[in-house]
This record gives sequence, C-alpha cells and structure tokens, in this order.
Amino acid sequence: DTAVSQTPKYLVTQMGNDKSIKCEQNLGHDTMYWYKQDSKKFLKIMFSYNNKELIINETVPNRFSPKSPDKAHLNLHINSLELGDSAVYFCASSQVAGGVGELFFGEGSRLTVL
Amino acid sequence: AQSVSQHNHHVILSEAASLELGCNYSYGGTVNLFWYVQYPGQHLQLLLKYFSGDPLVKGIKGFEAEFIKSKFSFNLRKPSVQWSDTAEYFCAVTGGNYGGSQGNLIFGKGTKLSVKP
Repeated sequence: DTAVSQTPKYLVTQMGNDKSIKCEQNLGHDTMYWYKQDSKKFLKIMFSYNNKELIINETVPNRFSPKSPDKAHLNLHINSLELGDSAVYFCASSQVAGGVGELFFGEGSRLTVL
Repeated sequence: AQSVSQHNHHVILSEAASLELGCNYSYGGTVNLFWYVQYPGQHLQLLLKYFSGDPLVKGIKGFEAEFIKSKFSFNLRKPSVQWSDTAEYFCAVTGGNYGGSQGNLIFGKGTKLSVKP
C-alpha cells in the first residue's frame, strides 16, 4: 500500500485551464502539505493543513486553493493556469504539526502548462 | 528567517570515492535537521535526521551526518559511494517551535550526486 498517493502523476494542459491534483495518505497523520519543486529542483512549501485546518499558507497566488475534506486528504486546485505553474507538486504528511517529524512524500505530480 | 545553503550544485564521483555534501543553515534557536534523498524519478525519502543528543547521526544506506552547532552545519558523509547513490540530496531544517509557520520545513536547493561506475 502506498503511504502517500497523488493523482494524477502527469498532467499536461493549456494556459488558462483549471486543474486539480488529489492527495491521500493512509498513515493516520494529522498534518499534510503541498510542496512545489521547480525546474531547478528547488522545493518550497506552499500549504500545510493540520486536522483539516490551514496552518501554513506561504506566498502563493490565490489561484491555488487547497481543500481538505478530511485529515487523510489534501487536494490542490489551480485556477487559470500559467506557464510558470509548470513544476512537480509533492504532497506530504507528517505525524507532528509543522514538519518537525519526518515528512512522508508522495511520488509527485508533474504539471506541464503549454 | 530560516534558510539552508547547500554549497555544491553538482558533485561527480567515481564508485568507492568518499562523499561529503555541505549544508549550512541560518536559525538562531533550536533546530531539527534532515537530509532527504530523491532518486531519479522517485519521491523524496528521509536519509537521516537530527533532533538532539549525539551530533553524529547515522542514517540508512551507510550515510551519516554531523551536526556542528558552532558552524551551523550539518554535512552529509559516506565513506564509499556506489553507483546506486546517484540522486539529488536535500538538506532541510525546521525550528524547534511546533506548529504554525515556525515549524515549516525549509529545504536547501539540493545537490545532485552523479556516481560513475
């Protein structure tokens, strides 16, 4: 069983479209995250949710909206996609809020905006 | 604000060579330190972590790292690399505060390691 799973793994879309990436974890963790990895492999946190509540919201355009229907799921919706949104998006979870404990990452979702 | 610097962008070694990847952080308080590895096409996995205690930390696959508080460093080492160690290595740090943005895990920009067979 995959601990943190993301779908889709690959997403190719046109500028201006709206897309979603789903994430689920079966580890029983309370905290989930979205990270963006750019073309230079730089990883930067976007959002963090603890028990369905937003606790970290870094400087991210409001076109990005996370949604956590329950503590095992954290989905990422992106409106009006731009070229600069092309990246690999990683979902992660941890047992302790704030990432102090080990983060368990999903396999990533590679988004390409044309 | 916290930051993490990884000095080497790309390191190329031959098999059996020794490895040391540099990592320096800037944070005034108690820190928790991590090294993650990303093999080609895969997700990030934890190599090792330091929270407190013995500053020499041993991780998986023969890796170790040493926390030197006076130098704000947490360098990763392996005495003898293998071709299968080819990957991207990320140093990460978070402050000792729990919750909120101060608990945010900050990653360095990564070091690509290429091991020639």
